[in-house]
Amino acid sequence: DAGVIQSPRHEVTEMGQEVTLRCKPISGHDYLFWYRQTMMRGLELLIYFNNNVPIDDSGMPEDRFSAKMPNASFSTLKIQPSEPRDSAVYFCASRKTGTGLEKLFFGSGTQLSVL
Amino acid sequence: EDQVTQSPEALRLQEGESSSLNCSYTVSGLRGLFWYRQDPGKGPEFLFTLYSAGEEKEKERLKATLTKKESFLHITAPKPEDSATYLCAVQEGNTPLVFGKGTRLSVIA
Repeated sequence: DAGVIQSPRHEVTEMGQEVTLRCKPISGHDYLFWYRQTMMRGLELLIYFNNNVPIDDSGMPEDRFSAKMPNASFSTLKIQPSEPRDSAVYFCASRKTGTGLEKLFFGSGTQLSVL
Repeated sequence: EDQVTQSPEALRLQEGESSSLNCSYTVSGLRGLFWYRQDPGKGPEFLFTLYSAGEEKEKERLKATLTKKESFLHITAPKPEDSATYLCAVQEGNTPLVFGKGTRLSVIA
């Protein structure tokens, strides 16, 4: 299995631009999570989906952030407009119900820099 | 108040010098405590799950233990390839994992 695939690996953009991060979970996994990692705050949960349905988006910092999961093999996290404080590493993770409590499989992340 | 606190933030060891990393938590209904390893430029990778006080898990040079308020990750005779950030996470009830900020471990040959 190829694991969780995220793209792009690196994104550099200017303040005010729209940014879209992409994730392909492991085939057969029914949960998908978006996390953000910074030195100051560590790894924070932004939103998670179960069977393509958003379950909890309370971690999304503000309305500039949105996430979708149109099907079981694809999810996007969009920031519009982007701000310098959004600079971080964004991780997507997935897991399958019944494989053990919260054994998450993470992608390699997208390093986002907003100038 | 953070639910999960890891210490130290950074640890530098000589090869073969054993030590422990600490993870303290404040959740009341712990369902599981998790340890992950994260290498630079990569996502966290699962190591262990502990469910109840007194439980221990081992993998190569790593041993994780759990009490009612904290967990320890013991590293015995570490090697340079053990250098990484070690993350602790807790699950309360049926909620998603809450992660600590991690301990950056450097093992010097």
